[in-house]
Amino acid sequence: DGGITQSPKYLFRKEGQNVTLSCEQNLNHDAMYWYRQDPGQGLRLIYYSQIVNDFQKGDIAEGYSVSREKKESFPLTVTSAQKNPTAFYLCASSIEAFSSYNEQFFGPGTRLTVL
Amino acid sequence: QQPVQSPQAVILREGEDAVINCSSSKALYSVHWYRQKHGEAPVFLMILLKGGEQKGHEKISASFNEKKQQSSLYLTASQLSYSGTYFCGTAHGSGNTGKLIFGQGTTLQVKP
Repeated sequence: DGGITQSPKYLFRKEGQNVTLSCEQNLNHDAMYWYRQDPGQGLRLIYYSQIVNDFQKGDIAEGYSVSREKKESFPLTVTSAQKNPTAFYLCASSIEAFSSYNEQFFGPGTRLTVL
Repeated sequence: QQPVQSPQAVILREGEDAVINCSSSKALYSVHWYRQKHGEAPVFLMILLKGGEQKGHEKISASFNEKKQQSSLYLTASQLSYSGTYFCGTAHGSGNTGKLIFGQGTTLQVKP
């Protein structure tokens, strides 16, 4: 079954710690995205990548970092510089790079809580 | 600039119709519509492209008004399964970045 997997489903972080959220897809999609969702709010773009070894900042990139060493993987690190990281994080992919005319497929999400 | 969705919330009885609007302050290249159930991932409904092309689920209809920089999603003969939060995502410029800006969402509740 093709799809996007995110792990872990729930993650707890202590203040001052870096944590990494995993996102893997076996859809052979070129583009991948990370969004943050806060209660009652829309999705805000953190980072996106159109091709391997390349990525761009989204609207709220401060305090986050990513890598795209393999086509199928796009991990997100939430660093200690992110002051309010408690949120629901969604990873998505799209079949074609550099195009806004293809649907985005979303993973099941990771709920991060800072203790 | 985040697109503005209206209404923020709507409650329907099964079989009733609803319209959800998405307005942008910037010229639109394409508009995406997704539905999200509580705690789950958003699911694709439809894409509308300037110039008239569109693709999506057969049972969903939507419109795209380039001049008004708006899109509307039409939910007819609503079912209980239609409940959830609806998001529009907008792309601008030449649409060659793959980047979408999402609205704040419209919560739809369908009651029996």
